[in-house]
Amino acid sequence: DQQVKQNSPSLSVQEGRISILNCDYTNSMFDYFLWYKKYPAEGPTFLISISSIKDKNEDGRFTVFLNKSAKHLSLHIVPSQPGDSAVYFCAARPNTGNQFYFGTGTSLTVIP
Amino acid sequence: DTEVTQTPKHLVMGMTNKKSLKCEQHMGHRAMYWYKQKAKKPPELMFVYSYEKLSINESVPSRFSPECPNSSLLNLHLHALQPEDSALYLCASSQSKWPSTGGNTIYFGEGSWLTVV
Repeated sequence: DQQVKQNSPSLSVQEGRISILNCDYTNSMFDYFLWYKKYPAEGPTFLISISSIKDKNEDGRFTVFLNKSAKHLSLHIVPSQPGDSAVYFCAARPNTGNQFYFGTGTSLTVIP
Repeated sequence: DTEVTQTPKHLVMGMTNKKSLKCEQHMGHRAMYWYKQKAKKPPELMFVYSYEKLSINESVPSRFSPECPNSSLLNLHLHALQPEDSALYLCASSQSKWPSTGGNTIYFGEGSWLTVV
């Protein structure tokens, strides 16, 4: 049972435009959410996180939005750059322990 | 420093071999993890150690045997693996603040590519 879902397996965006990656979750016990970027043959690299007490967190070109009522979060990348091309995973952790659950990933391609 | 170091980066082993994957972090994290990742799939949790004690085993077959010798090291001992166990094995660490009112970040190593022949 996939508790964290990324329904778009791939996304293509023009360089300079906004990339929006979406993630949905089902477990209301999740209280901490993270986004990771992964290049082939490498481990996931942490990008940005958000606690359930917030609805937005911004770090440079990356902004994460959390809509708890909809159990939905999104990652905005503005402006998108070719180096952003990678697979992006969202992850969530419940308030009951150190288990991090990952979505299936979205492959982002930024076209120069 | 948010570095988690894994060795070896690549490992090829036969089904009768015994080998080990190693992981090290010096961030003072007291939670360490093993994840398994297959192509085009998300990382799947295998084990969690919290304060050097195994706290979560996600029903992993006994041919995988984790070990946490101290707060900085995590090993995964491999024995009698199957070809379907070939995957990227990721080690990760985080602060261990459970139960907590906030969250913490999990940091991954580069992974060890395992091929079972």
